[in-house]
Amino acid sequence: SQQGEEDPQALSIQEGENATMNCSYKTSINNLQWYRQNSGRGLVHLILIRSNEREKHSGRLRVTLDTSKKSSSLLITASRAADTASYFCAGINTGGFKTIFGAGTRLFVKA
Amino acid sequence: NAGVTQTPKFQVLKTGQSMTLQCAQDMNHEYMSWYRQDPGMGLRLIHYSVGAGITDQGEVPNGYNVSRSTTEDFPLRLLSAAPSQTSVYFCASRRLAGGNNEQFFGPGTRLTVL
Repeated sequence: SQQGEEDPQALSIQEGENATMNCSYKTSINNLQWYRQNSGRGLVHLILIRSNEREKHSGRLRVTLDTSKKSSSLLITASRAADTASYFCAGINTGGFKTIFGAGTRLFVKA
Repeated sequence: NAGVTQTPKFQVLKTGQSMTLQCAQDMNHEYMSWYRQDPGMGLRLIHYSVGAGITDQGEVPNGYNVSRSTTEDFPLRLLSAAPSQTSVYFCASRRLAGGNNEQFFGPGTRLTVL
């Protein structure tokens, strides 16, 4: 399988704490994206980082990318109960047409 | 805009039956794709299309057919359903040129094959 791997598989934290999720992938990519999925819903795009970028910020989100290690991390700062969801990394291959998703991290933020 | 719509929301099939999952988008996106999501796993790409009349296989294409006769619609056909095809199916679309490659997802179709 080409699927990426995410670590941890599940994460439980208190509201206000930071949440860090890691993703490793196998193939060469043009860019890497992070998506969020609330239970029973479709995925929602959060942020994209290009292969020539090392770090990107968007609101409470911080994403890093290390192409030499084929890994990325997503940091959510000052988490809220509403951040409870599954988070997936997704890499678009160098051809540009195939997106490979990681297995996801389930985040639970306790109020 | 309705975005990406999928029908039906739920479906139960018997082994060997065939059916078509519908997907439509009203954003004039060139790229459309189908994924399946199994418990505890991420999405796996079944088929994708880069425009009307152009389709290609993804990671797990066996047992599924697609066609793209219009920009808006991208139906997924199960030829002879098997229990291994029990899954949640998501359709997605995005622009090919420019933008940030953001994919817009439909709400999903939950399929059970008995």
